Amino acid sequence: DGGITQSPKYLFRKEGQNVTLSCEQNLNHDAMYWYRQDPGQGLRLIYYSQIVNDFQKGDIAEGYSVSREKKESFPLTVTSAQKNPTAFYLCASSIVGGPYGYTFGSGTRLTVV
Amino acid sequence: QQQVKQSPQSLIVQKGGISIINCAYENTAFDYFPWYQQFPGKGPALLIAIRPDVSEKKEGRFTISFNKSAKQFSLHIMDSQPGDSATYFCAGGSYNNNDMRFGAGTRLTVKP
Repeated sequence: DGGITQSPKYLFRKEGQNVTLSCEQNLNHDAMYWYRQDPGQGLRLIYYSQIVNDFQKGDIAEGYSVSREKKESFPLTVTSAQKNPTAFYLCASSIVGGPYGYTFGSGTRLTVV
Repeated sequence: QQQVKQSPQSLIVQKGGISIINCAYENTAFDYFPWYQQFPGKGPALLIAIRPDVSEKKEGRFTISFNKSAKQFSLHIMDSQPGDSATYFCAGGSYNNNDMRFGAGTRLTVKP
C-alpha cells in the first residue's frame, strides 16, 4: 500500500537534546512538508521541499532543520534551540502542479521531559 | 498571519442533525479549497475539495458551499453520525500545492 510512514509514534526529548523525526513516502510525490500541530492553533508549516536537495522555510522554521537527500525521505530534526518543542508533528506529501491535496502521515508526538 | 479563518472552534450536534463549519480566506490567489478530517492520534485525511469556479460540491453526506465574492466556504455534514466525531480543517491553496494554509480546526462531537 502506498502511503507515508512517520516514526516513531511517540518521542521523548530531554532538555538540550536534538531529536530526529523520520518521514518516508512511497507515493512517488515530489513535494514533502512538515507541520506542527498544537491545540487550537491548527497546522503550522515548518519546512517544505519540492525537489531533492532543496527545501524552504515555512512560518515557524526556527529551531528546526531538515534534509532531502532522497525523494522518498524528509527527516526533521528538532534542535535544542527550539524552546517549546512539545507538539504533534505531521509529515505530508503531494504532487506538484496539481489540485490533489496532501497525504498525511499518522504523526509523531514529541514530549520534552 | 492567519490566511484562513475557521469557525466554530467546537461544535456539538445530535445524531441525524446537520453540522456546519465555516471558513473565510484572504488570499485571492487560492484556487483550491480542501477539507480534511482528523481522528485523535491520526493524521488528517482529505475529505472533499472544491475549486472556485463552482458554488457547491457534494459527496455523499458531505457538501462544500463556496461563495467567491464573499471569500467564504463551508462544510455541511448531513445526517451527522457519531462516527463523524473528529476535528475538521479547512484549507486554501494553489495548484502549485506548495503553500497550503490551514484553518485552526473545528472539533465536532456528534451525540448519539
